[in-house]
Amino acid sequence: AAGVIQSPRHLIKEKRETATLKCYPIPRHDTVYWYQQGPGQDPQFLISFYEKMQSDKGSIPDRFSAQQFSDYHSELNMSSLELGDSALYFCASRRTGEGKLFFGSGTQLSVL
Amino acid sequence: EDKVVQSPLSLVVHEGDTVTLNCSYEVTNFRSLLWYKQEKKAPTFLFMLTSSGIEKKSGRLSSILDKKELFSILNITATQTGDSAVYLCAPTSNTGKLIFGQGTTLQVKP
Repeated sequence: AAGVIQSPRHLIKEKRETATLKCYPIPRHDTVYWYQQGPGQDPQFLISFYEKMQSDKGSIPDRFSAQQFSDYHSELNMSSLELGDSALYFCASRRTGEGKLFFGSGTQLSVL
Repeated sequence: EDKVVQSPLSLVVHEGDTVTLNCSYEVTNFRSLLWYKQEKKAPTFLFMLTSSGIEKKSGRLSSILDKKELFSILNITATQTGDSAVYLCAPTSNTGKLIFGQGTTLQVKP
């Protein structure tokens, strides 16, 4: 069965650089969620999209932005990267009316 | 502010033991509660609970929700080394987002 696809799997950037993370939800899933998980931390909700519109916003820094496209994939854009942005970034998707979220394998971002 | 507290934070048992993981929550506009298992990377779905008192079972795992006491437990019987993981409790609000607890790190020794 198709799962949530995230790319890249790993990303190494330097401070003040930009990064773009991509998420391809499970087919027919219309809602996408982004989470950030620091080492030894629980996942923190960043932002979500439903039908290409932002549906909820969590602890996403102003340096980050995200959007959902017409094919339902989503991109998380991160600018002016800081050391503290090093984390595992998960995308999750679900279909409206179904409660289960399914997670991608995550993008491991390292900021040097 | 939404809050999820899991206990214990870590647990070491031997194969064959039974464990009970606890999750208490305070979430505005609560919709359901999900349990996930996280090994190396992505959390994998275990259970979704929406009604109080109805036990969900999957093999050696079972879970139940108490919406009055704002509490859920996850039981694992006859534990195996492959059960070693972080178990995350995540209530959802009406927007569908998950609010994660700190997780319980379970280590099952041979």
